[in-house]
Amino acid sequence: AQKVTQAQTEISVVEKEDVTLDCVYETRDTTYYLFWYKQPPSGELVFLIRRNSFDEQNEISGRYSWNFQKSTSSFNFTITASQVVDSAVYFCALSEALSNTDKLIFGTGTRLQVFP
Amino acid sequence: DADVTQTPRNRITKTGKRIMLECSQTKGHDRMYWYRQDPGLGLRLIYYSFDVKDINKGEISDGYSVSRQAQAKFSLSLESAIPNQTALYFCATSGARILNEQFFGPGTRLTVL
Repeated sequence: AQKVTQAQTEISVVEKEDVTLDCVYETRDTTYYLFWYKQPPSGELVFLIRRNSFDEQNEISGRYSWNFQKSTSSFNFTITASQVVDSAVYFCALSEALSNTDKLIFGTGTRLQVFP
Repeated sequence: DADVTQTPRNRITKTGKRIMLECSQTKGHDRMYWYRQDPGLGLRLIYYSFDVKDINKGEISDGYSVSRQAQAKFSLSLESAIPNQTALYFCATSGARILNEQFFGPGTRLTVL
């Protein structure tokens, strides 16, 4: 069965600290896609990244980086030198290519609070 | 202008009322989705549609119905609203079977009293 687990319900850090948000997934498909979305206090969902299961190369985008490890079924997200504007709920999601839908299976989210 | 719009953005209603949430998109995507978000539960799929003549139930479709009036419009109805349908509702679209990034609307916050 497919599942996404974000074990960290809430994380609080002080500005400029680095923070890692964990994501562990379960799937039987060999082809799948992993996503991270940001939900700021205003409520909209902001797409951050998509990674397919054949590409384990880590990615860096500014202060954001993602570590995809198939061996541990993890797709962790690190924010370097956090800022107050990073305060949001972050969702990890999974989409299985062989399913009959393109639906996203979401984790329960991690609320990040960055204090000045 | 936003690519995916939802109306209304906020709605308060009473138990038993019929409510319609509307979603429109200008992305030209064939696939549209309705999700609901509850605190601590992430987003869960209610219904999805791959084209105007195709409607499919998601994991939590009970108490909801949908209508795909056109490629660009996908409406979600609560026939008789109940308090546990109080949630944040998102519409999303996607355009391709592979590399299926979904584009989300801004959300509709629904409160059922």
